[in-house]
Amino acid sequence: AQKITQTQPGMFVQEKEAVTLDCTYDTSDPSYGLFWYKQPSSGEMIFLIYQGSYDQQNATEGRYSLNFQKARKSANLVISASQLGDSAMYFCAIHGTGGGNKLTFGTGTQLKVEL
Amino acid sequence: EAQVTQNPRYLITVTGKKLTVTCSQNMNHEYMSWYRQDPGLGLRQIYYSMNVEVTDKGDVPEGYKVSRKEKRNFPLILESPSPNQTSLYFCASSAGAARGETQYFGPGTRLLVL
Repeated sequence: AQKITQTQPGMFVQEKEAVTLDCTYDTSDPSYGLFWYKQPSSGEMIFLIYQGSYDQQNATEGRYSLNFQKARKSANLVISASQLGDSAMYFCAIHGTGGGNKLTFGTGTQLKVEL
Repeated sequence: EAQVTQNPRYLITVTGKKLTVTCSQNMNHEYMSWYRQDPGLGLRQIYYSMNVEVTDKGDVPEGYKVSRKEKRNFPLILESPSPNQTSLYFCASSAGAARGETQYFGPGTRLLVL
């Protein structure tokens, strides 16, 4: 079984500052993938970034980067230069074997960006 | 535009009245899934399909049915809805099951069962 733990139910950050959202995972699969999704108040799920377990480098996508520490089983999302539009719920998810491409999600972190 | 659509977006119904939530994707994806999202629990997979006529249970299948008669459509059926099925439902699709295969989510359907 796979599990994602997001220990920060809510976070505040000031505009233009960087913020790190924590994610730890547990899996017995030798090969897996980690995803981050953003869910604004409108409800849709927006894909942000992906990290494969065998990728040599940490993933980056614009202002998003993933701090992947395999030995610690952590995959923290770093958002640089926060914007008001970054206020949303953020979910970490893991993909492994079986389950028809199933993603196992954490409980999410609610991020609020303040002026 | 590549997208996953769901209908209806909002639905209020009463206990026991059968309902169907439709899901359609225009990306020719093989894999489709249904998830439900509940506060404090994240998203959990209900059912999935790997191709036409191939479906299987996810983590929380009780009370739900699905079918995949066409590649693009994957409806979710609640034969006799109950209040504990009040939730936000997402349909998702992906081209395959490889590790890096991104899942694309529909806009969500908010269901309230009275």
